[in-house]
Amino acid sequence: EAQVTQNPRYLITVTGKKLTVTCSQNMNHEYMSWYRQDPGLGLRQIYYSMNVEVTDKGDVPEGYKVSRKEKRNFPLILESPSPNQTSLYFCASSLGPLGEKLFFGSGTQLSVL
Amino acid sequence: AQTVTQSQPEMSVQEAETVTLSCTYDTSESDYYLFWYKQPPSRQMILVIRQEAYKQQNATENRFSVNFQKAAKSFSLKISDSQLGDAAMYFCAYRSLITSGTYKYIFGTGTRLKVLA
Repeated sequence: EAQVTQNPRYLITVTGKKLTVTCSQNMNHEYMSWYRQDPGLGLRQIYYSMNVEVTDKGDVPEGYKVSRKEKRNFPLILESPSPNQTSLYFCASSLGPLGEKLFFGSGTQLSVL
Repeated sequence: AQTVTQSQPEMSVQEAETVTLSCTYDTSESDYYLFWYKQPPSRQMILVIRQEAYKQQNATENRFSVNFQKAAKSFSLKISDSQLGDAAMYFCAYRSLITSGTYKYIFGTGTRLKVLA
C-alpha cells in the first residue's frame, strides 16, 4: 500500500532533550516536506527536499534540522526542543513538479514540557 | 511572497444543504496549482480537489466543486448535499513555483465546517 509512515504519533518530552521524528515513503517520491499545524495558523512549512541531499528552508525552520540521505526517508530533528515547538507535525511527499497531490503521514502530536 | 487567506474560521451547514468555503490567494506567478484538503477529527489530511491555474474549467469531484476566478485570485469550494461525514477542517493550499525546479506548498489557516443534522 502506498503510504507515508510517520512515527511516533504522540510524543511528550522535556525542554532540551533531543528528539527525532521519522518519516518514510514507499512511493519513490522525489519531494518530501515537513509542516507544523497550530490553531489559527494552519499548516506552515518547516523544511522541504526536492531529492536526495537537496533540502531547503520553509517558512519556520528555526529550531529544526532535516536530512535526506536516502530517497525514502526524511527525518525531522529537534536538537534542543522548547515549549514553543509544541505542535502537530506532518510529513508529506509528492512525486515531483507536475502538481500531484501531497501524500501526508498520520501526524505527530508533540508536547514539550 | 505568496499568501493564502481563508477568512471564515468556522462555518455551519444543515445536512443536505449547500455550503461554500472561501479562499483567496496572492501571487505574481501565472502558473500554479490550487488544492482543497479535508482534515477530519482523525487528523488525516485528505485531498478533496485540485485545480491547475492554466485550466479555465472549474474542477469537480462528485459533490465537491470549485469556483476558480483567476483574475480575482479566488478559489472557493462548494459542497452540495452536505453529509455528516463532511464535518472537518478544510484547508486551501497553493503550490508555488519558486524558481526552476523548486516549489513549495502554502496553506491557509483553515475553515472548520460543522454539519447539523
